[in-house]
Amino acid sequence: QLQVQESGPGLVKPSETLSLTCTVSGDAVNSGDYYWGWIRQSPGKGLEWIAYMSYSGRTYYSPSLNSRVTISVETSKKQFSLKLWSVTAADTAVYYCVRHRGSSSWFDPWGQGTLVTISS
Amino acid sequence: QSALTQPASVSGSPGQSITISCTGTSSDVGGHNYVSWFQQHPGKAPKLLIYDVSSRPSGVSIRFSGSKSGNTASLTISGLQAEDEADYHCMSYASSFTWLFGGGTKLTVL
Repeated sequence: QLQVQESGPGLVKPSETLSLTCTVSGDAVNSGDYYWGWIRQSPGKGLEWIAYMSYSGRTYYSPSLNSRVTISVETSKKQFSLKLWSVTAADTAVYYCVRHRGSSSWFDPWGQGTLVTISS
Repeated sequence: QSALTQPASVSGSPGQSITISCTGTSSDVGGHNYVSWFQQHPGKAPKLLIYDVSSRPSGVSIRFSGSKSGNTASLTISGLQAEDEADYHCMSYASSFTWLFGGGTKLTVL
């Protein structure tokens, strides 16, 4: 059964770079028409789609975050990563990694989420 | 791109049916059949309930159903149960491989 799990620092200073990794188990990251992505949820708020990419390297980013975000995949390690630059308190959120099936609105499974707090 | 519009809260008694709406525009909800619904219990990750407007993943109860009319998608939960009390989020394809969420709806089972 496919599972995804986020990892990374829980505290990042303002203006620095947030870096998270998602580890995939139970399937390869280069199988089928799938995309690997990130979604976040600010405390007490709704969900926000950040970005996703295919294993072949096609990347798609939220217009509101496009200038500050990069995602990448390491097929051999079965991992994909998120980097968000120049963070502010507004980037404090629970970050989820998730698999998306192409040509549909299927987003599953989700990781358990990791809280990242932006504070000095 | 603006977030999709959901009611902040809805409520119902056990056994009743409730419907949660998700309103967008012709560029997102109304323009595609790529709408999903997620259930989220406190402190947990969202769970996929409905995808492609009205399809249910294996294992999701038939009490959950989705539909769409124009720019508004809807999630209906029939035979409300106590464990249905949770937050519900809609999501729609917007354009150029980007996606929008609604603000979320808190369901209270009375």
